[in-house]
Amino acid sequence: EIVLTQSPGTLSLSPGERATLSCRASQSVSSTYLAWYQQRPGQAPRLLIYGASSRATGIPDRFSGSGSGTDFTLTISRLEPEDFAVYYCQQYGSSPLTFGGGTKVEIK
Amino acid sequence: QVQLVQSGAEVKKPGASVKVSCKASGYTFISYGISWVRQAPGQGLEWMGWISAYNGNTNYAQKLQGRVTMTTDTITSTAYMELRSLRSDDTAVYYCARDDGSGSYRFDPWGQGTLVSVSS
Repeated sequence: EIVLTQSPGTLSLSPGERATLSCRASQSVSSTYLAWYQQRPGQAPRLLIYGASSRATGIPDRFSGSGSGTDFTLTISRLEPEDFAVYYCQQYGSSPLTFGGGTKVEIK
Repeated sequence: QVQLVQSGAEVKKPGASVKVSCKASGYTFISYGISWVRQAPGQGLEWMGWISAYNGNTNYAQKLQGRVTMTTDTITSTAYMELRSLRSDDTAVYYCARDDGSGSYRFDPWGQGTLVSVSS
């Protein structure tokens, strides 16, 4: 099973600042099969990024993904109030599918 | 628009079973698979398994093998997840989510979630 470790656990930032979230895999993940999700309180997760760097339909361009192998990054260029949420990475290249433990982006 | 609507919250006793439904609309049901993902209170996301709406093929997470069954009804475009021998640590919000239709298990969209509480 591929274990995904996200860091930091919590990121305290102000609106307008840049957020950089990390996802590290215990073994290599094909870039084709790495996704990022946003989960706001009381809501279901929402797909942001798939294939490590492709934005899902309707996702603003302030969200970007990068990385390969075992190290992946989600960047939010300028935080908007609605971006304060929990973010999860997911690998879907091998079974079982696994998620990282999440990074909470909170208002500083 | 593409939408997944799940059944309502359930309260069960340990040892009982629960069956959660997920009704799809806005797309051709048999062209996509459905996964189930659960989230214990205050915790992260756990993938439970996947079912093809086309032929009913399934792929279950090993830790749930023998306790979970996923099915679909192509007439009503509804997916079901049944979990048996419930324990207190099965208390969670259960989500259904659609894959991308090409065998790639990225999830979009998700259902609204169904809270299953297990308590004596």
